[in-house]
This record gives sequence, structure tokens and C-alpha cells, in this order.
Amino acid sequence: GAVVSQHPSWVICKSGTSVKIECRSLDFQATTMFWYRQFPKQSLMLMATSNEGSKATYEQGVEKDKFLINHASLTLSTLTVTSAHPEDSSFYICSALGGDRGSTEAFFGQGTRLTVV
Amino acid sequence: LAKTTQPISMDSYEGQEVNITCSHNNIATNDYITWYQQFPSQGPRFIIQGYKTKVTNEVASLFIPADRKSSTLSLPRVSLSDTAVYYCLVGGGGYQKVTFGTGTKLQVIP
Repeated sequence: GAVVSQHPSWVICKSGTSVKIECRSLDFQATTMFWYRQFPKQSLMLMATSNEGSKATYEQGVEKDKFLINHASLTLSTLTVTSAHPEDSSFYICSALGGDRGSTEAFFGQGTRLTVV
Repeated sequence: LAKTTQPISMDSYEGQEVNITCSHNNIATNDYITWYQQFPSQGPRFIIQGYKTKVTNEVASLFIPADRKSSTLSLPRVSLSDTAVYYCLVGGGGYQKVTFGTGTKLQVIP
């Protein structure tokens, strides 16, 4: 099956700094990628939809100036958490539509654990 | 987007068959039904996908009635390693953002 890779798997940063998380589709092209955030014992919450070559579409309540998304190529989308604060500590997961099943199946990365201290 | 409803949690003994049902009353004509499994601190993993009737693969079966307003994921002879959260998602069929419901936390007991 198709593989989506996230980097880094975990990161610790100081409050006020920015952190970039990469999401790559390794063996297929993904015109659409999604970014999720998951707090402990909760479900995944969709943050934004990232389309290659265009601006991301953010879900209601998600600050687009804080969570910068760039989808510059068909295999890479990045999420930058700007001026991170402890409340931004969470598990961030990306997914991409595509692969063998076309656009009906979403493939997920392994997630990135962000801890802001 | 179709909203899904699943039981919050289920317990099962090892070796038993587990059936998890998901309700999706507002499913659209071009929506697929997909189930994912998630272990703690990992991304969701695809289990099975279907559109109607029955689909079976090496790990699970998916039963979808004619009206497609619900679906049942069947896991045969579960083991301890099947302890995870299982999500039912409805969508796909072209560009479609994927949103998650609450999921079902399955606890397999020795």
C-alpha cells in the first residue's frame, strides 16, 4: 500500500518558537493532504485541507496564521506551528488521498508528538 | 458530510469474533465506508473499505445493508494485539475531506 511519512516523530520546543512538521507521500502523488490534531484520549480533529499549489482550507476555529500549511509539491506538505505555546502540545497527524485506490482512501502518517515547554 | 455514530467502547475475550456497528444515516450516494485502526501514539491504519453488501480481506469483513445507513466491521478471533480504537469513516469518492467520529475503543481481554 501507499506510504505516508511524517518527520519528526516527536519534537520538544520552547514556548514562543516555531516548529515545522513534514508530511511526505513516498510512493504516490497526493494532490490533497489533510492535517489533524489529536489530544489524549480524543479523536482526531481535522485542522485543514492542503491542496498542492493553492492555499490551505482551514476548519472553523483553527488559526491559519498560527498553523501555516504549505503544499509546494505533489509529495510534500508542511505544517508550521508558529509561536508555539504549551496548549499547542498535541499529536499531529497528516494524511494523503491517493495510492492504489485513487482518491477514496486516505493514508496516514505515523504522527508527530509535539511538546511545548 | 455524513456523521457517524459508534459505541464508545467494547470488551471482548481473546479468540472471539467482534462486531462493531457504525450508523451513518446521512450517507451520500458517492460515499464509501472505510474503517481504520489506531494504536496509541500512532497514525490510523486502513483496515477495510466498502460501498455496499459485503467485503472481506485478510484481516476483517465489512457488512453493509442495502440502505447503507449502517455498517458492521467484523474481526474474527481477536487477539490481544487487536486492542485499539476503531474508526468508521464515511466519504471518499473523489475529493473529500476525511473527518473522524469518536471511534470505538476495543479492549481484548485474555
